[in-house]
Amino acid sequence: DSGVTQTPKHLITATGQRVTLRCSPRSGDLSVYWYQQSLDQGLQFLIQYYNGEERAKGNILERFSAQQFPDLHSELNLSSLELGDSALYFCASSVTRDSHNSPLHFGNGTRLTVT
Amino acid sequence: AQKITQTQPGMFVQEKEAVTLDCTYDTSDPSYGLFWYKQPSSGEMIFLIYQGSYDQQNATEGRYSLNFQKARKSANLVISASQLGDSAMYFCAMRFQGAQKLVFGQGTRLTINP
Repeated sequence: DSGVTQTPKHLITATGQRVTLRCSPRSGDLSVYWYQQSLDQGLQFLIQYYNGEERAKGNILERFSAQQFPDLHSELNLSSLELGDSALYFCASSVTRDSHNSPLHFGNGTRLTVT
Repeated sequence: AQKITQTQPGMFVQEKEAVTLDCTYDTSDPSYGLFWYKQPSSGEMIFLIYQGSYDQQNATEGRYSLNFQKARKSANLVISASQLGDSAMYFCAMRFQGAQKLVFGQGTRLTINP
């Protein structure tokens, strides 16, 4: 058990809808990362938050947004969903902001299916 | 640009044999970390082992060891005495000093045969 909690585990929704994915980082970790894993794109970095502030952005679509709350949990909001958004969405956390020797600890992921 | 390459899309190994999963990387940064993750069919990403670019010795964690050859820019994962439960996708990843994200390779699907 990595200590990172993601809910829900599975989500099935229709095109055009909006969903919210939730993540609680490991105790003591200030950084939260969101990744998308799809068959054709592999693991893609979406966004990072550190202690409540956005730290880095990757390949995140404008239809997607995220935030980190004062209690350090994070939410990823996906709107105007398209079939191509179907993927496994991971949250990960780490102690440090950008240290190269700090591993990311991943949650179990939320599998999103858009129909 | 930094890049991670895993050249083996799939590998099949007999139980109890040792297996080496290849990973090469490309960077001009002197400070970086190399990581291996395991993703079973259930989907979770499990951190296995870490190697720092300045580490003099190869990292080991139980049955996992990292064959780090800095001059060749390779960081191969070695699993000794493979078990059926080792069947999974394995990802090599890299993180650079000052960089926020972990960059992943495409992964190698390892299948252990009884």
